[in-house]
Amino acid sequence: GIQVEQSPPDLILQEGANSTLRCNFSDSVNNLQWFHQNPWGQLINLFYIPSGTKQNGRLSATTVATERYSLLYISSSQTTDSGVYFCAVEDYGQNFVFGPGTRLSVLP
Amino acid sequence: DTEVTQTPKHLVMGMTNKKSLKCEQHMGHRAMYWYKQKAKKPPELMFVYSYEKLSINESVPSRFSPECPNSSLLNLHLHALQPEDSALYLCASSQDSWTGGLNEQFFGPGTRLTVL
Repeated sequence: GIQVEQSPPDLILQEGANSTLRCNFSDSVNNLQWFHQNPWGQLINLFYIPSGTKQNGRLSATTVATERYSLLYISSSQTTDSGVYFCAVEDYGQNFVFGPGTRLSVLP
Repeated sequence: DTEVTQTPKHLVMGMTNKKSLKCEQHMGHRAMYWYKQKAKKPPELMFVYSYEKLSINESVPSRFSPECPNSSLLNLHLHALQPEDSALYLCASSQDSWTGGLNEQFFGPGTRLTVL
């Protein structure tokens, strides 16, 4: 099945810093999403981005489907950005696979 | 409305109990999913229902039994669980990828299950 990798596994930032999270996947995908999981377990949709670039406030994402990777940019990070960021892909058989996640801690 | 609801929020059960988890969405989505998430791990897909028919079963033990009574509801029936089944159970829904259109998944808040 499709493999998904994320880097870095852990990231500690000072408030106000910028960061880039990466997601690599092993095969062509029908769908790619970025999620933020808060401490209570809720998965919050950040981007639905099978290809191209999108921006939403301080967050932006780029997926280069032909090269099988996606990037999530967080600018001017805040303590509320802390949590786990997951990339999830869907293959062409409705099978959704999550990457292992990047655990982000933003310090005041 | 992009809300998926799940009940209960927390559940503690013994190994001989029978219980059910419930999930509901009113977005008109035709695909619904169950995931299991252990601590510090990513969610793992368990089941997919597409147009109320089970389309994916990721080799889940038979002590987990899914049911999709209609396009808005998804249940997960639990029986004779083991302590290692303790986890966060997440429900999600999406438009359905077979239509070729947008298939963004939306997740419920989860049910935190503890098996004693």
